[in-house]
Amino acid sequence: GIQVEQSPPDLILQEGANSTLRCNFSDSVNNLQWFHQNPWGQLINLFYIPSGTKQNGRLSATTVATERYSLLYISSSQTTDSGVYFCAVEDRGGSNYKLTFGKGTLLTVNP
Amino acid sequence: DTAVSQTPKYLVTQMGNDKSIKCEQNLGHDTMYWYKQDSKKFLKIMFSYNNKELIINETVPNRFSPKSPDKAHLNLHINSLELGDSAVYFCASSSTRNTEAFFGQGTRLTVV
Repeated sequence: GIQVEQSPPDLILQEGANSTLRCNFSDSVNNLQWFHQNPWGQLINLFYIPSGTKQNGRLSATTVATERYSLLYISSSQTTDSGVYFCAVEDRGGSNYKLTFGKGTLLTVNP
Repeated sequence: DTAVSQTPKYLVTQMGNDKSIKCEQNLGHDTMYWYKQDSKKFLKIMFSYNNKELIINETVPNRFSPKSPDKAHLNLHINSLELGDSAVYFCASSSTRNTEAFFGQGTRLTVV
């Protein structure tokens, strides 16, 4: 099945800093999503981005489907950005009915 | 107006018991899922249903039985609970037209 690798596994920032999270995947995808799991355990949709670039406030994401990677940018980080960021993909060649998740990036933003 | 809602949020039970988790979505989606998040936060698909039909059963023990009475509901029944079943279970839904998935708030199951 498709492999999803996220880096870095852990990231510690001071409030106000910028960061880039990376997601590499091993095959063509129909769907790529970024999620934020907050400290209360909720999985919050950030981006649905199988290709191209999107922006939402301080967050933006770019997926280069031909090179099989996606980047999540967080600018001017805030303590509320802390949590685990997951990349998940649905592969084009396999089943269309499941997301395969990466292991996540644990982000800690200190005041 | 929660889009995907699961009940209960927390479940503590003894080994050997049978329990159910309920999930409902009001997004008009035709596909629903159960995912399991283990103690290391890894999320893995368990089941997916499309139009009430089981599409994926990802080598889950048959003590786990999903049931989809209609397209808006997917319940998970677990028989003879074991310590290793302790995890957070997430329900999710999506549409085959736009495959963006939305997740419920999770059910933290603790087996003692």
